[in-house]
Amino acid sequence: QVQLVQSGTEMKRPGSSVKVSCQASGGTFSDSAVSWVRQAPGQGLEWMGWIVPIYGTTTYAQRFRARLTFTADESTSTAYMELRSLRSEDTAVYYCATFTWTPGSWFDPWGQGTLVAVSS
Amino acid sequence: QSVLTQPPSVSGAPGQRVTISCTGSSSDIGAGYDVHWYQQLPGTAPKVLIYGNSNRPSGVPDRFSASKSGTSASLAITGLQAEDEADYYCQAYDSSLSAWLFGAGTKLTVL
Repeated sequence: QVQLVQSGTEMKRPGSSVKVSCQASGGTFSDSAVSWVRQAPGQGLEWMGWIVPIYGTTTYAQRFRARLTFTADESTSTAYMELRSLRSEDTAVYYCATFTWTPGSWFDPWGQGTLVAVSS
Repeated sequence: QSVLTQPPSVSGAPGQRVTISCTGSSSDIGAGYDVHWYQQLPGTAPKVLIYGNSNRPSGVPDRFSASKSGTSASLAITGLQAEDEADYYCQAYDSSLSAWLFGAGTKLTVL
């Protein structure tokens, strides 16, 4: 099965941007979507949206729509999540996960997570 | 933002049975969308435990089972083991929000 490998920890200042990568190891994304989910310290999971790399189709959760962009590079089987105008509340572990982008779909597998810490 | 309600915590002694509920609404579970369950061990990424309401991926012990009825779903764990101590999340699609939602999570403590 494909494994998802994410980029490393990021330390950012408020107002800056962060770009996290998620690479499919041992295969490709095929026609699956890559979804992004974040988890603030001690909190639950929050769905952010998804991208279908093969088509470039994206969907964003309403609350992130203004400052979130998903992209993908099919040649390297890598998906990217860029979050702009960072604030302290964006401090979280960000996960990527594949799913079949239908309402009944589940997320599997998951990347190992990327910690993004936002502090002045 | 969760509209899937889970108890914050449950506990049980080794060997016992525990259940975790997940209550939704007419726009998610009640609308017929499948419910999925994830287990998150401390310091690790979530992994799917149950998909499609009641299906176990290969490798998941049959001590884990789940069901769905109406606007709710539940996860049952029998023969509790120390290694089951983790956070458990339900997940379903919500048509009113056009979003894939997670419950707030339930922390399972094995006494």
